Amino acid sequence: SQKIEQNSEALNIQEGKTATLTCNYTNYSPAYLQWYRQDPGRGPVFLLLIRENEKEKRKERLKVTFDTTLKQSLFHITASQPADSATYLCALVRGSQGNLIFGKGTKLSVKP
Amino acid sequence: GAGVSQSPRYKVAKRGQDVALRCDPISGHVSLFWYQQALGQGPEFLTYFQNEAQLDKSGLPSDRFFAERPEGSVSTLKIQRTQQEDSAVYLCASSLTGGASGANVLTFGAGSRLTVL
Repeated sequence: SQKIEQNSEALNIQEGKTATLTCNYTNYSPAYLQWYRQDPGRGPVFLLLIRENEKEKRKERLKVTFDTTLKQSLFHITASQPADSATYLCALVRGSQGNLIFGKGTKLSVKP
Repeated sequence: GAGVSQSPRYKVAKRGQDVALRCDPISGHVSLFWYQQALGQGPEFLTYFQNEAQLDKSGLPSDRFFAERPEGSVSTLKIQRTQQEDSAVYLCASSLTGGASGANVLTFGAGSRLTVL
């Protein structure tokens, strides 16, 4: 069956360091992959989308890579800040209808 | 409206009660999704509408769960004879586009937290 795995349930880093989160998938050939941020008590918020023909995408301090051979996406936050503390979710489209399925998320804590 | 609105934000139900959760998507958004999120887990897909058509309901856990979007805008998720395992946050999301050929960027509501006693 199709599966998305986000390897770390939690990641703790020091302010100013780069956070790297991993998303692996099996039995998919997705056309694109998305990353969302979720704060407690709120719905996920879209951050970045990367297509299968793009190796890398950047937005301010965020960088996403997409390796379709390894079936993996890496999500980086450079110069991390305590305000970056949240749960980060990766999502893939499944099937021909376009519905998105999500990984379990990685809870990032950035300590001052 | 400016965002996706869900009501009620919090619902406490006794086991066996029926509940209805409402979602007001962004005006003009074609696609509407329902997800179930248990504590500490990612959103689990329930069902997907494109306009008024329910294109995928493969994630609905049982026949106690029913969703509709009769006029292609507001959607209601109904849970009949609620059980304790139904306790979760129910998230609604909408998207301007539809189908796998487009990149469905979802805008989520804040969710409806259901607690079944």
